[in-house]
Amino acid sequence: SYVLTQPPSVSVAPGQTATITCGGDNIANKSVHWYQQKPGQAPVLVVYDDTDRPSGIPERFSGSNSGNPATLTISRVEAGDEADYYCQVWRSGTDHYVFGTGTKVTVL
Amino acid sequence: EVQLVQSGAEVKKAGESLKISCKGSGYNFNMYWIAWVRQMPGKGLECMGIIYPGDSDITYSPSFRGQVTFSADKSISTVSLHWNSLKASDTAMYFCARRDLAVDDAFDIWGPGTWVTVSS
Repeated sequence: SYVLTQPPSVSVAPGQTATITCGGDNIANKSVHWYQQKPGQAPVLVVYDDTDRPSGIPERFSGSNSGNPATLTISRVEAGDEADYYCQVWRSGTDHYVFGTGTKVTVL
Repeated sequence: EVQLVQSGAEVKKAGESLKISCKGSGYNFNMYWIAWVRQMPGKGLECMGIIYPGDSDITYSPSFRGQVTFSADKSISTVSLHWNSLKASDTAMYFCARRDLAVDDAFDIWGPGTWVTVSS
């Protein structure tokens, strides 16, 4: 089965930059989406198609996928960015979505 | 407002059947795929599969094929997730989410989730 590997946790001080990685076989040839999930809430889409942001998502959230791994970068981190983050791809062939293992971002 | 509203929390016993639902509003419900996503306690997200309400086309993720059933009633803009015989391991939060071509088939709208507790 296809696995997307993320670091379990990332810690960052306010105002600094957090980088979350998402590794998977041949991921550079896939479209990667990223979701933010705060405790007790449904996930929210923050980046789609590797680099695009939905309306309403701050420019501080950016993505890239030029190799393995894909990355989500949160610039000028704020306390409100503390959450779990998941990457996601569509696995063609078996036709199903795969989520990454998830990364807990802690703002120090 | 575009939204997905899910049915309320359920407490069931192992072996019982269950159907939970997800109702869309504020958009043409029949023209967007809906995904079901499981989140077990303290764990990550797992996509169970997707259903197209317009014609009830369904794709189950390999891990969930044969374990659950999806259905749609487009007349009331609702999709459902059904278990014939629950197990304790089905205890989880279940989200529905809209798949949108405008965001490269990512999930742009999520329901609040339905918590299912199954006791053995």
